[in-house]
Amino acid sequence: GAVVSQHPSRVICKSGTSVKIECRSLDFQATTMFWYRQFPKQSLMLMATSNEGSKATYEQGVEKDKFLINHASLTLSTLTVTSAHPEDSSFYICSAKDRRGGPDTQYFGPGTRLTVL
Amino acid sequence: SQQGEEDPQALSIQEGENATMNCSYKTSINNLQWYRQNSGRGLVHLILIRSNEREKHSGRLRVTLDTSKKSSSLLITASRAADTASYFCATVLQAGTALIFGKGTTLSVSS
Repeated sequence: GAVVSQHPSRVICKSGTSVKIECRSLDFQATTMFWYRQFPKQSLMLMATSNEGSKATYEQGVEKDKFLINHASLTLSTLTVTSAHPEDSSFYICSAKDRRGGPDTQYFGPGTRLTVL
Repeated sequence: SQQGEEDPQALSIQEGENATMNCSYKTSINNLQWYRQNSGRGLVHLILIRSNEREKHSGRLRVTLDTSKKSSSLLITASRAADTASYFCATVLQAGTALIFGKGTTLSVSS
């Protein structure tokens, strides 16, 4: 089956630093990837839609200059949290659409837990 | 933005009992999906039901969809302790677009 990986799985950083999270589709090509954020005991909130070779589309209220998304290839999208603050501590999850599959074919990564001290 | 509202927010049952979770949404959808998430872990896709379908089964899972009421239900029969998790409904407004998740139901199954 289709596999999506995320790296790192956990990261702890100091306030003010930047953190990059990678989302990779391991055995399929993904023209579209989605980034979600989940705070403790809450649901997943869509942050942005990332299309290969073009700029990401951000949801209302998500700062594009703070959460930089790059989708430079059909198998890799990265989310960089710039100048991280403790309130950015969260569980970040990506999903990827298989370009060969139907429109409903999305596969989720295992998530990255970010803790900002 | 969020589209779905699940109820109950939390549900505690004994092993062997059935668990029913409901999801309501606000706008027309292309399909609705249910996911499970164990504490601190990733999502597991359970079932997808399209807007022109009314009921689907998968093992011990039964999902219904009522588009006139903009609601769906997930029934887990003969629950097990391993079913303990959070369950989310997620809607797709247009084919190929992102999933919009509901707030989730936390299910606890005690043995």
